Amino acid sequence: DVKVTQSSRYLVKRTGEKVFLECVQDMDHENMFWYRQDPGLGLRLIYFSYDVKMKEKGDIPEGYSVSREKKERFSLILESASTNQTSMYLCASSRDPSYEQYFGPGTRLTVT
Amino acid sequence: KQEVTQIPAALSVPEGENLVLNCSFTDSAIYNLQWFRQDPGKGLTSLLLIQSSQREQTSGRLNASLDKSSGRSTLYIAASQPGDSATYLCAVLPGYSSASKIIFGSGTRLSIRP
Repeated sequence: DVKVTQSSRYLVKRTGEKVFLECVQDMDHENMFWYRQDPGLGLRLIYFSYDVKMKEKGDIPEGYSVSREKKERFSLILESASTNQTSMYLCASSRDPSYEQYFGPGTRLTVT
Repeated sequence: KQEVTQIPAALSVPEGENLVLNCSFTDSAIYNLQWFRQDPGKGLTSLLLIQSSQREQTSGRLNASLDKSSGRSTLYIAASQPGDSATYLCAVLPGYSSASKIIFGSGTRLSIRP
């Protein structure tokens, strides 16, 4: 059974902290994605990666960076967390863009 | 620029009814379309994926259709159950390349009344 896991379900951080969100998939997928989901704004793509060490900006990359050192792991980094980054963060992976995307359970991040 | 719309934003029906959820997209040149389900506070679960060359896909009580020329897809749910209550999202892949990304609709929140 396919599986995408995220390091935390709930996270509370203070403004200015550096935050790491980790995502791991066990399906040997090439593509991995980070989204954030906010009421009224839907799902927005932050970054994605289509190969190890490769990354592409999504629609809202400002304030975020990513790292993909190994195929199975894709990390989202908030360099200096701000209150407007309070959101639900969702990781996904797919074999390639034309295949189904599989999502992790999400991390609800609160920045105070 | 491709836009994906789902109307209505919310729908409530009694248990046992057959129902249709709608998805429309502005540019008919899509590679495929995917339907997802999301339970409150959870991630998305892929339900069905329709390639641009296909007209429909079926899985159990779910049937998704695609009409590229009119820019529309529907998700048909037969004999609805309370467990079908969730938000349903559609997403289109505009084209195919290693850097392609899908575009999501805002979803329809479905509530099945027992």
